Amino acid sequence: EPEVTQTPSHQVTQMGQEVILRCVPISNHLYFYWYRQILGQKVEFLVSFYNNEISEKSEIFDDQFSVERPDGSNFTLKIRSTKLEDSAMYFCASSEALAGKLNTGELFFGEGSRLTVL
Amino acid sequence: TQLLEQSPQFLSIQEGENLTVYCNSSSVFSSLQWYRQEPGEGPVLLVTVVTGGEVKKLKRLTFQFGDARKDSSLHITAAQPGDTGLYLCAGARYSTLTFGKGTMLLVSP
Repeated sequence: EPEVTQTPSHQVTQMGQEVILRCVPISNHLYFYWYRQILGQKVEFLVSFYNNEISEKSEIFDDQFSVERPDGSNFTLKIRSTKLEDSAMYFCASSEALAGKLNTGELFFGEGSRLTVL
Repeated sequence: TQLLEQSPQFLSIQEGENLTVYCNSSSVFSSLQWYRQEPGEGPVLLVTVVTGGEVKKLKRLTFQFGDARKDSSLHITAAQPGDTGLYLCAGARYSTLTFGKGTMLLVSP
């Protein structure tokens, strides 16, 4: 069964360093997303991406963050100058159609990348 | 700000009991999805409800979408230990899913 894969599964970094989280979405999906979940808190939307550009972004997704689809398969989240409060599980997801659309808008989530900022 | 409030936050029951968890919002969503999340894993979709008043059944799980498309409930009949997990509701608007904080369900044998 096709699945979303994320690397690394866990990354530890020093405050102020840059981090790149990588995702390989399901191959025929057109919409890509990043969500994050701080320990003990809810899953929060960061950004959605379609047709090589950002569709929507939340207030969390400030200038510190960027996304890119450098080739036909990878979807990356870059966090510049990491802060302690960036420590969280970051989930990548993909869908065939817009989120919530019946039958085709199902989001498939990866297993997440745990980021620990020291 | 679209908020989804889930209740209860935590529920501990014995195997065989029935339970209902709720998801409420003041916002209208185009659809509402229920996910289950295991520790250390990403959310996995259980069901999507689209039409106000819609009821969907998935084995022992019954999902209902409120008439006004602002709230939803999940009812589990005869809960089993394998049902243990975090149940998340998420409302969809455009390309965004807004998640609730979840209900942590613990079913003891």
